[in-house]
Amino acid sequence: GESVGLHLPTLSVQEGDNSIINCAYSNSASDYFIWYKQESGKGPQFIIDIRSNMDKRQGQRVTVLLNKTVKHLSLQIAATQPGDSAVYFCAEIGANDYKLSFGAGTTVTVRA
Amino acid sequence: NAGVTQTPKFRVLKTGQSMTLLCAQDMNHEYMYWYRQDPGMGLRLIHYSVGEGTTAKGEVPDGYNVSRLKKQNFLLGLESAAPSQTSVYFCASSSGGNTEAFFGQGTRLTVV
Repeated sequence: GESVGLHLPTLSVQEGDNSIINCAYSNSASDYFIWYKQESGKGPQFIIDIRSNMDKRQGQRVTVLLNKTVKHLSLQIAATQPGDSAVYFCAEIGANDYKLSFGAGTTVTVRA
Repeated sequence: NAGVTQTPKFRVLKTGQSMTLLCAQDMNHEYMYWYRQDPGMGLRLIHYSVGEGTTAKGEVPDGYNVSRLKKQNFLLGLESAAPSQTSVYFCASSSGGNTEAFFGQGTRLTVV
């Protein structure tokens, strides 16, 4: 898989490889985080979430990691498939104002 | 169960015209949000509401007004449209501050 600690606007992945998408969030008071997938012409769709009292959560083929010390969130996709090609966004909800704020997205392209 | 429905899906306005975008959700959600998404960019929060009769400003509220007279509806108004408001608008709703938000399919607005 491909992984760097910094946010990348685009990520090209070979089909079958693992993908890692990174996100830095801004509000240290945020206590809930969500990853969304957006396909062309559609609204964002929920992938997985994590609360601030956790550092890892697993779903089907996806894992979210949360590092509150450096305010960093990552999404790992196992065995990336062509259907995973999309734009991925991380989002955070403030504990006090309940704003749902989005980070800059990462466009994932899966190579056959 | 329709989820989150946005009306209209497409609209072309002339500069200076006004219009209202309607967001309706049938999930009895307390929280509702309006975003705009410009090409190659993430979602920017315009206004949001944490309950019937309440509204709050997001990141980019200027030029927009909102109303939440009924729990199931969140209206976004443009009093005097400007070309800079050409964008895709997304509405979302959630049951609480620590739960996933569900998105509508978007409204593509062009101001000429």
